[in-house]
Amino acid sequence: AQSVTQLDSQVPVFEEAPVELRCNYSSSVSVYLFWYVQYPNQGLQLLLKYLSGSTLVKGINGFEAEFNKSQTSFHLRKPSVHISDTAEYFCAVSAGYSSASKIIFGSGTRLSIRP
Amino acid sequence: EAGVAQSPRYKIIEKRQSVAFWCNPISGHATLYWYQQILGQGPKLLIQFQNNGVVDDSQLPKDRFSAERLKGVDSTLKIQPAKLEDSAVYLCASSLGGGQGEQYFGPGTRLTVT
Repeated sequence: AQSVTQLDSQVPVFEEAPVELRCNYSSSVSVYLFWYVQYPNQGLQLLLKYLSGSTLVKGINGFEAEFNKSQTSFHLRKPSVHISDTAEYFCAVSAGYSSASKIIFGSGTRLSIRP
Repeated sequence: EAGVAQSPRYKIIEKRQSVAFWCNPISGHATLYWYQQILGQGPKLLIQFQNNGVVDDSQLPKDRFSAERLKGVDSTLKIQPAKLEDSAVYLCASSLGGGQGEQYFGPGTRLTVT
């Protein structure tokens, strides 16, 4: 079975500063990896996903993540954050290729941006 | 393209009462999911449908929770009777397929059990 660990429950940063949200996963098979964002009182929205190929994945809103198989990590980064990036971020993993495969979510990291 | 619709957005009930949530997925999406998101935690899958068949309900507390997806479109999640620990946001999501497919989430229903 697979699992996801988000190492930081909260990350405060100043506006225009860089940020990294950490995610580690565990799986005995190859995985698909995702980052979702949840704005207050809204559902989750996909930021980016890694399926195969290049280990550096670019997503929406200037975010990117790097898949590191040896360290079983998929950290999310943004070089310069904006107030509008304030939200909860969830890392997720799926270990299957069939329509029956499910996604396991981490516990989330709350990103708060200080002006 | 219309998104995933859910209703109601908020619900407050007393313990031992029953409650039902409704979800209308994106048109054409075969896979529908119900998640429970307790405050401070990530979403936990309760049940996954492929068209109108159940693919995974291993984490659904079947003694009190039930879900159906008639005709492979809309879905209803019911809790009967509710417990205090059922207080959470219930998220519905849909996708074209499982596994690598992007899931599109509705706004959720916030349930408070008193």
